[in-house]
Amino acid sequence: SQKIEQNSEALNIQEGKTATLTCNYTNYSPAYLQWYRQDPGRGPVFLLLIRENEKEKRKERLKVTFDTTLKQSLFHITASQPADSATYLCALVGSSNTGKLIFGQGTTLQVKP
Amino acid sequence: DVKVTQSSRYLVKRTGEKVFLECVQDMDHENMFWYRQDPGLGLRLIYFSYDVKMKEKGDIPEGYSVSREKKERFSLILESASTNQTSMYLCASSGGTALNYEQYFGPGTRLTVT
Repeated sequence: SQKIEQNSEALNIQEGKTATLTCNYTNYSPAYLQWYRQDPGRGPVFLLLIRENEKEKRKERLKVTFDTTLKQSLFHITASQPADSATYLCALVGSSNTGKLIFGQGTTLQVKP
Repeated sequence: DVKVTQSSRYLVKRTGEKVFLECVQDMDHENMFWYRQDPGLGLRLIYFSYDVKMKEKGDIPEGYSVSREKKERFSLILESASTNQTSMYLCASSGGTALNYEQYFGPGTRLTVT
């Protein structure tokens, strides 16, 4: 069955360092992959979308890679700040389905000053 | 900016009650979605709609129904609330005819069924 895995353990890093979050998937061929940020008690907020024919996408301090051979996406936040502390969700859209998103469980990032 | 609003932030209902959760978006989006989010289980799709009066089952539709009479409004109905429906409910919308657009979420309704 289709499976999306994000590291369930919280990631703790020091301010100024680069945070790297991982999203792995199996039994799936997504056309698109999206990353969202969710703060406690709030709905997720869209950050970035990357297509299957794109290897890398950047937006300000954010960088996303998409390796369809490894079935993996990496999400990087450079020069991290305490305000980046949140849960980050990856979501996949299949190429042949109705376009529904399947979400990973999310990884919580804690940036310490 | 896209705005998705949900009728309540917190709701407490008794077992067996009929519960209505309302969602309204102001960006003329075609697609609307209802999810529930539980610790350890992540976001799970209950129902979605890609047009007025159209609806499709998501991954966990049992015990729920939906209504979309107007483009901007998508309602989630719990016909007879049960304690296992205690959860955070999130509504989302997205634009265009393709369903792979980014989704915009409301603030969520935390429902407790006692």
